[in-house]
Amino acid sequence: GEDVEQSLFLSVREGDSSVINCTYTDSSSTYLYWYKQEPGAGLQLLTYIFSNMDMKQDQRLTVLLNKKDKHLSLRIADTQTGDSAIYFCAENAGNNRKLIWGLGTSLAVNP
Amino acid sequence: GAVVSQHPSWVICKSGTSVKIECRSLDFQATTMFWYRQFPKQSLMLMATSNEGSKATYEQGVEKDKFLINHASLTLSTLTVTSAHPEDSSFYICSAGDLSLPQHFGDGTRLSIL
Repeated sequence: GEDVEQSLFLSVREGDSSVINCTYTDSSSTYLYWYKQEPGAGLQLLTYIFSNMDMKQDQRLTVLLNKKDKHLSLRIADTQTGDSAIYFCAENAGNNRKLIWGLGTSLAVNP
Repeated sequence: GAVVSQHPSWVICKSGTSVKIECRSLDFQATTMFWYRQFPKQSLMLMATSNEGSKATYEQGVEKDKFLINHASLTLSTLTVTSAHPEDSSFYICSAGDLSLPQHFGDGTRLSIL
């Protein structure tokens, strides 16, 4: 079945770049997403990428997609303490818009 | 951008009562909304897909008589936790998106059953 995997924890120093990785199994996915969740809050859509794209850049965020390896990454440039949160990777499964979720990567930014 | 509003944000009630949570799409119409449950330090668990004008589709293991979903309009879906017990305490989140938008999420409802 469909599956999304991501590392559970990442720690970086303020000002460094963060790279959060995700692998997925459903080759028919058309959209892949990155969501951010701060403690006690809902989910915030950070960015998404169409499966026919290799890269998408939005200010400090860069998404890279390797469709052959089914690998998605999110790079946050100049990471700030406000970026500390859990980052979820998700893919859509078919046309019913149901999302398949990773377990989330907890990003800790140290001053 | 798309906005999804969820209400209430936090509710505490006694065991045995029923609790209704609302999910509204504020600036777009959503034929489909999704209800998730999230336990502490865990990922989201999809509970059900709410379909406007028809019955919800529940995921395996989710009791449809326990978690009643109504999607009576293109901008509102409700989740009612019936006869809630302490094990139903959790963070419930809804999402919505039309065909041209990715899913946007409400801020979640923290439910605490005493």
